[in-house]
Amino acid sequence: DSGVTQTPKHLITATGQRVTLRCSPRSGDLSVYWYQQSLDQGLQFLIQYYNGEERAKGNILERFSAQQFPDLHSELNLSSLELGDSALYFCASSADGWNTEAFFGQGTRLTVV
Amino acid sequence: AQKITQTQPGMFVQEKEAVTLDCTYDTSDQSYGLFWYKQPSSGEMIFLIYQGSYDEQNATEGRYSLNFQKARKSANLVISASQLGDSAMYFCAMRGGYGGSQGNLIFGKGTKLSVKP
Repeated sequence: DSGVTQTPKHLITATGQRVTLRCSPRSGDLSVYWYQQSLDQGLQFLIQYYNGEERAKGNILERFSAQQFPDLHSELNLSSLELGDSALYFCASSADGWNTEAFFGQGTRLTVV
Repeated sequence: AQKITQTQPGMFVQEKEAVTLDCTYDTSDQSYGLFWYKQPSSGEMIFLIYQGSYDEQNATEGRYSLNFQKARKSANLVISASQLGDSAMYFCAMRGGYGGSQGNLIFGKGTKLSVKP
């Protein structure tokens, strides 16, 4: 158990809908990262938050947004969902913003039908 | 920009034998970090080992060791005494941003390791 909790584990939704994925980092970790894993794109970095502030942005679509709350949990919001958004979404956390290894949650498998 | 290349889509190894998974990287930074993660069929990403660019010795963690050859820009993972539970996808990764200033990881495409009994 990595200590990073992601909910829900599975999500099936229709095209055009909006979903929210939730992540609780390991106790004491200030940084949260979101990744998308799909068969064609592999593991892609989406966005990073550090202590509530956006730190870095990767290949995140405009239809996607995220935030980190004062209690350090994070949410990834995906809207106007398309079939191609079906993927495994990972949250990872690390103690600081860059110098330590990141520990991953079990992921949320999103299926858009 | 940083890039990770894993040239072996799939590998087979006999149980109890050692196996090397290849990883080469591309970066113009002097300071960087390299990681290996394991992803079993259940899907979770498990951190295995880390090597810093200034570490003089190869990293080791139990049966895992990282064969770091800086001049060749390679960071191969060596698994000794393979076990059936080692069957999984293995990803090599490095930290993004200048000098690893961004905490996010850049991943290779992975190698699927199958351990035969």
